[in-house]
Amino acid sequence: AQRVTQPEKLLSVFKGAPVELKCNYSYSGSPELFWYVQYSRQRLQLLLRHISRESIKGFTADLNKGETSFHLKKPFAQEEDSAMYYCALKVRNRDDKIIFGKGTRLHILP
Amino acid sequence: NAGVTQTPKFQVLKTGQSMTLQCAQDMNHNSMYWYRQDPGMGLRLIYYSASEGTTDKGEVPNGYNVSRLNKREFSLRLESAAPSQTSVYFCASSGGIGTEAFFGQGTRLTVV
Repeated sequence: AQRVTQPEKLLSVFKGAPVELKCNYSYSGSPELFWYVQYSRQRLQLLLRHISRESIKGFTADLNKGETSFHLKKPFAQEEDSAMYYCALKVRNRDDKIIFGKGTRLHILP
Repeated sequence: NAGVTQTPKFQVLKTGQSMTLQCAQDMNHNSMYWYRQDPGMGLRLIYYSASEGTTDKGEVPNGYNVSRLNKREFSLRLESAAPSQTSVYFCASSGGIGTEAFFGQGTRLTVV
């Protein structure tokens, strides 16, 4: 069965400090992985996708197939980064199921 | 370009009442999804549809039914609402390989 694990419910980091949000997945096929961000009471929006290897708002994420991980990183946290972050796995078969982790709330301390 | 539109935005139901949440997308996506979001539980997949005419159960389908009316619309029905179905419901759609899910603004449902 496919699964996405985000081990931290809450992560508090001081402004200017590095951030790492952990994501591990379980899937026997070739995964498509995404990070989504949700600001207070808003809809989820895409932050990153592994396939494009981009950097958005200073965040990066690298797929490590050996460790089945897709951790989200930012070298210097900003107050506006405070939000809920979700890791998602798209199952690449005929039905395109997308499953999410439980999310990590990132709280940037001043 | 509206993207994914959900109605209603808010709803209060009494236990045992029924209702249908509507979702429409204008991006010509094949796949559509219904999730519920609960504190500490993240987003859990209720049902999804890979194409018009097909639907599949997700992680938490009990108490819900869905209809993929056409390529644009995917509705979620609660036949007999229960307090445990109090949640925020999100509809999403997605294109093919490499494309992410686009979300609606959510429906905040309270069952009393």
